Amino acid sequence: SQQGEEDPQALSIQEGENATMNCSYKTSINNLQWYRQNSGRGLVHLILIRSNEREKHSGRLRVTLDTSKKSSSLLITASRAADTASYFCATDQVISSGSARQLTFGSGTQLTVLP
Amino acid sequence: EPEVTQTPSHQVTQMGQEVILRCVPISNHLYFYWYRQILGQKVEFLVSFYNNEISEKSEIFDDQFSVERPDGSNFTLKIRSTKLEDSAMYFCASSNRDRGNGELFFGEGSRLTVL
Repeated sequence: SQQGEEDPQALSIQEGENATMNCSYKTSINNLQWYRQNSGRGLVHLILIRSNEREKHSGRLRVTLDTSKKSSSLLITASRAADTASYFCATDQVISSGSARQLTFGSGTQLTVLP
Repeated sequence: EPEVTQTPSHQVTQMGQEVILRCVPISNHLYFYWYRQILGQKVEFLVSFYNNEISEKSEIFDDQFSVERPDGSNFTLKIRSTKLEDSAMYFCASSNRDRGNGELFFGEGSRLTVL
């Protein structure tokens, strides 16, 4: 699989349920970030987890990172219809040169929350 | 809340024409980026810009592409002679932190349609 691959590709749940999306990557990273994209709109940053962190919370979001397995998960608890969007993981890879950051995005998970 | 703004939101052009996409990053940010997303595909890195020069660029960013920060506020992406395959959503992003330390703030995107 390519760097930053999410699964499932699509997820449909009922409002109030929890949604879990997974991301796998291949190279060493500085951090991993999750973004949300509503249809036809820009990317909105949700949460960043650094390579030395294992779990992070932000409101209804919980992110885990397992660097030994090169994987991350995003959990959205008590989902709402407004959470319907595409969710992307993006890895900030370790490279030897340059001070700017290049994120590598996955293909995304399309989450549909049914009212 | 500060945001990245992009213009135009949608541009239709004929193959071979030059296109300039404009971005106003968040004012105190130092790192600037262009990404693109072909319909239904991943978000792909094009170029990063710091200290008035390109820091990194991808294979996509060939001689037909250029970036410029002509004044203290605008950051532009120019495509000299557009091709059909340049049709995509182009996202500008900015950040105020060096690699590994923060998220990117994305604009809403400019949709380019090449006929």
